[in-house]
Amino acid sequence: GESVGLHLPTLSVQEGDNSIINCAYSNSASDYFIWYKQESGKGPQFIIDIRSNMDKRQGQRVTVLLNKTVKHLSLQIAATQPGDSAVYFCAENNAGNNRKLIWGLGTSLAVNP
Amino acid sequence: SQTIHQWPATLVQPVGSPLSLECTVEGTSNPNLYWYRQAAGRGLQLLFYSVGIGQISSEVPQNLSASRPQDRQFILSSKKLLLSDSGFYLCAWRRTGNTEAFFGQGTRLTVV
Repeated sequence: GESVGLHLPTLSVQEGDNSIINCAYSNSASDYFIWYKQESGKGPQFIIDIRSNMDKRQGQRVTVLLNKTVKHLSLQIAATQPGDSAVYFCAENNAGNNRKLIWGLGTSLAVNP
Repeated sequence: SQTIHQWPATLVQPVGSPLSLECTVEGTSNPNLYWYRQAAGRGLQLLFYSVGIGQISSEVPQNLSASRPQDRQFILSSKKLLLSDSGFYLCAWRRTGNTEAFFGQGTRLTVV
């Protein structure tokens, strides 16, 4: 079946280091991918998205890379800060069903001071 | 600007009791609306989505139902709660064709 999964359930980094969160997907027909951040007890918040016709997209301190050959997505956070501690989800949009997002399980990022 | 309201924030209900969670969206029209459930330490499970008034699509068989009586109102209900219905329920909205979904603050439901 179609799924989006995460390689690492937890990630611990030192403050100031760069963080890389990975995601694998299986649906070649997905037309875009999204990263969300969820802080404890809150709803997810949109971070950045990338269309399937792109390889890289940069935002403020974040970069998303898409490798369609191996169906891999990553979120890179530069100079990780304590406020970056959260669970990060990747999601893919099924081009055949624009109303639905397929969500990964999430990676918990812990930033050590 | 658009806002989404979801209430209550926390709820403790006995097994067998009914449930009604409400979600409203302001500042937009004809949004796509979603109900998700999130178990502790887990990902998001899509329960229902709606593309218009009275139009509900169910993703998984369950003890819950959803209704959309107005364009910007989405209600999650149950006639009789089960212990397994406990979880963190999230309402979200999205414009058709847009990538970003906006989430409410969630309702933590504990069935005892």
